Amino acid sequence: EADIYQTPRYLVIGTGKKITLECSQTMGHDKMYWYQQDPGMELHLIHYSYGVNSTEKGDLSSESTVSRIRTEHFPLTLESARPSHTSQYLCASREDERTGYTFGSGTRLTVV
Amino acid sequence: EDKVVQSPLSLVVHEGDTVTLNCSYEVTNFRSLLWYKQEKKAPTFLFMLTSSGIEKKSGRLSSILDKKELFSILNITATQTGDSAIYLCAGGAGYALNFGKGTSLLVTP
Repeated sequence: EADIYQTPRYLVIGTGKKITLECSQTMGHDKMYWYQQDPGMELHLIHYSYGVNSTEKGDLSSESTVSRIRTEHFPLTLESARPSHTSQYLCASREDERTGYTFGSGTRLTVV
Repeated sequence: EDKVVQSPLSLVVHEGDTVTLNCSYEVTNFRSLLWYKQEKKAPTFLFMLTSSGIEKKSGRLSSILDKKELFSILNITATQTGDSAIYLCAGGAGYALNFGKGTSLLVTP
């Protein structure tokens, strides 16, 4: 039973559209993460949060933004989608640095 | 720059074979190494290793960490078709995990 939920599971949108990928967890974890995953490539960290009102950019330059208004919710927004944003986006959370991640099922985004 | 390198990148074996997947890492302020299995959806947690030389086992899977040589291996014995997946290795330091590209394992009947 997944304790971290991502919606939508799949999304196809046109260039220039604004989209928000949702991520929610029920475990009360303070630390949440967004990774981008392309076939045959490493997972790249794009954003992370240590708690409410705390967000940081990751190692991979990204045109997306995130917010953390509630502990359980960590949405990612693309203001103007482009074909280069086509990828799988994985959300994860963990209790602290001594534990591993729990991942959501991912959102596969295609921008046409 | 931190990096995690996995080898081989892909592997095809027959059911019943034993496989060894490799992971080397260079992670500043290293704390732990983690293995995940990814099928079609979310990566699922397999092992977390923090101490050198102590093997962790779960059924047919086992893993060990060598902090002196900066690598880890994941062994799968008596492979089954259900073991077909991408196996991800990640090095944990401070704020986040650094992942390798993964090893794509295909187990044929």
